[in-house]
Parts: sequence; structure tokens; C-alpha cells
Amino acid sequence: EDKVVQSPLSLVVHEGDTVTLNCSYEVTNFRSLLWYKQEKKAPTFLFMLTSSGIEKKSGRLSSILDKKELFSILNITATQTGDSAVYLCASPNSGNTPLVFGKGTRLSVIA
Amino acid sequence: EADIYQTPRYLVIGTGKKITLECSQTMGHDKMYWYQQDPGMELHLIHYSYGVNSTEKGDLSSESTVSRIRTEHFPLTLESARPSHTSQYLCASSPPRPSNEKLFFGSGTQLSVL
Repeated sequence: EDKVVQSPLSLVVHEGDTVTLNCSYEVTNFRSLLWYKQEKKAPTFLFMLTSSGIEKKSGRLSSILDKKELFSILNITATQTGDSAVYLCASPNSGNTPLVFGKGTRLSVIA
Repeated sequence: EADIYQTPRYLVIGTGKKITLECSQTMGHDKMYWYQQDPGMELHLIHYSYGVNSTEKGDLSSESTVSRIRTEHFPLTLESARPSHTSQYLCASSPPRPSNEKLFFGSGTQLSVL
């Protein structure tokens, strides 16, 4: 059974800290790994990774994929209170089926 | 950016009532999905559709049903709501390949069944 496991499940940091969120996966016929940010209701897309070792970056957020070790990390530097959210990792099932999500990491950034 | 709308945002209803959660998207996406999410838990796929008149059950068993008569509309129906159906329901859609793995989500419906 395909699965995505995230760690830690929750994290509390102070503003300005750097955090690393982890995502490991076991997916047959792996195609991609996606990161989403869920603040209130709707998850919003952050990154899609398909190739090992190529960092994707957007402002203070960056992510990288390791297809040999089957994991990805999401880094957030100089965290702000607005980064407080649940960060979700997901990967498509084998075949043409939709995404399998991890449980998410709940990040709380305190001033 | 896809536009995808869910109504109602919040619904409190008594046991045994029939309810329909609405989901519409304006981007012409063929693929649409319903996920269920309990607090602090992962999203579970309950239904999906790859086009008009196509519907499939997801990984999580659900007593709900869906229909896809029009591309833009993917409503979810519970014939007889029960307290165990209390949850957040998220609708999503995705564009054609090669970006079909990137889901766009609606704002969700928080359902409470008393």
C-alpha cells in the first residue's frame, strides 16, 4: 500500500528560526512529490518535485527530493508568524490515481 | 490559479437529514476529487471523477455518493446524515497532464451532524 509519512507531526519555533520538515514515501511507480500549506481550510500548492537533488526555492521556502533514500525535506528560513500552518506532503498513487497525503506537520511560529 | 468553490462553508444538521455539498470549478478541469479530513488527520480520498459521467470511489469507504453531469460541477450527497459523518470535506480539481498532479482545492465544507 502506498504511503507518505511526515515528521515531526508538530513543531513550535520562535520567529527567525530555521525549520526542516521531513517527508518519507513508499509509492509504487513514483512520479512526483508535492508540498502543500494548509492554513485555515484549503491547502495551497507550494512545490512539486520530480528529480533528485534539484532544489526548488520560493522566497524563504525551499525543498529537495532524494529518490534513492525516498524522502523529501521542506526548509523554511527566518520563520515568521505567518508561516504557522499545517504543511502537507503528498505523492500520486501508482497508475493514474490521485494524491496520497501524509498526516502533515503542524508548525507554530511564536513571536 | 484555478477557481474552485464549495458551498456551504459550514453546515450543522440533524441526524437522518439528506444533504448535498456543492463544488464547482471554472477552469474546465476534467479531474475532480472529494477528500475528507478529520482534525489533525490526513486527507482521505473518498470520491473522484475523470470527466462527465465518470465517478470512482476513493481509498476511504464512504456512505456518500457523487455525480458528474457537467464538467464544472461535482456535488457530494449524503442520503441520511449521521454523527460519524461530522468532518471537513474538501473538493479539488486538477488540470490535464503534465500538471495533473497539482491539485487546486476549494475552501472546504465543515459538516457537523448532531
